[in-house]
Amino acid sequence: EVVLTQSPGTLSLSPGERASVSCRASQTIANNYLAWYQQRPGQAPRLLIRNTSNRATGIPDRFSGSGSGTDFTLTISRLEPEDFAIYYCQQYSSSPRTFGQGTKVEI
Amino acid sequence: QVQLVESGGGLVKPGGSLRLSCAASGFTFTDHYMSWIRQSPGERPEWLSYISAYSNYIDYADSVKGRFSISRDNARTSIFLQMDNLRAEDTAVYYCVRGGSNWEFWGPGTLVTVSS
Repeated sequence: EVVLTQSPGTLSLSPGERASVSCRASQTIANNYLAWYQQRPGQAPRLLIRNTSNRATGIPDRFSGSGSGTDFTLTISRLEPEDFAIYYCQQYSSSPRTFGQGTKVEI
Repeated sequence: QVQLVESGGGLVKPGGSLRLSCAASGFTFTDHYMSWIRQSPGERPEWLSYISAYSNYIDYADSVKGRFSISRDNARTSIFLQMDNLRAEDTAVYYCVRGGSNWEFWGPGTLVTVSS
């Protein structure tokens, strides 16, 4: 099973600032099959990025993803108030599909 | 527009069974794998199972293998999750999602509580 470890656990920032969330895999993610999700309280997760760097439909371009191998990053260029939420990485290069433990971006 | 609506959740005693359903609409159902994912309070989402378009390929997480069974009815554009021998640690919100790898479309979820 691929274990995904995110850092930091919590990111305390202000609107307008840049956020970077790291996701490290216990083994190489083949084909860059890594996704990122945003989850707000009481809501289902929302797909932001698939295939490491491809934004899902309707996702603003302030969200970007990068990385390869075992190290991946989600960057939010300028935080908007609605971006304060929990972010999860998820791999689909092998089964079982697994998620990171989450990073909370808070004000 | 894509819609996924789960039903069948509720309170069940340890060792009991529940059958979850998910009604899908707004897309060509037989073009897509479907999956179940759950999330306990304060925890990360956990993928449970996927099923291919014509049920040829099915896979489960180890945590539910042998206890849960996924199925689909393409005529009714629905998927199901039969959950047997439920445990307290199965308490979670259960989501129906479109796809087998990454998931753009999620239902609102149905709460399953396993408690005596």
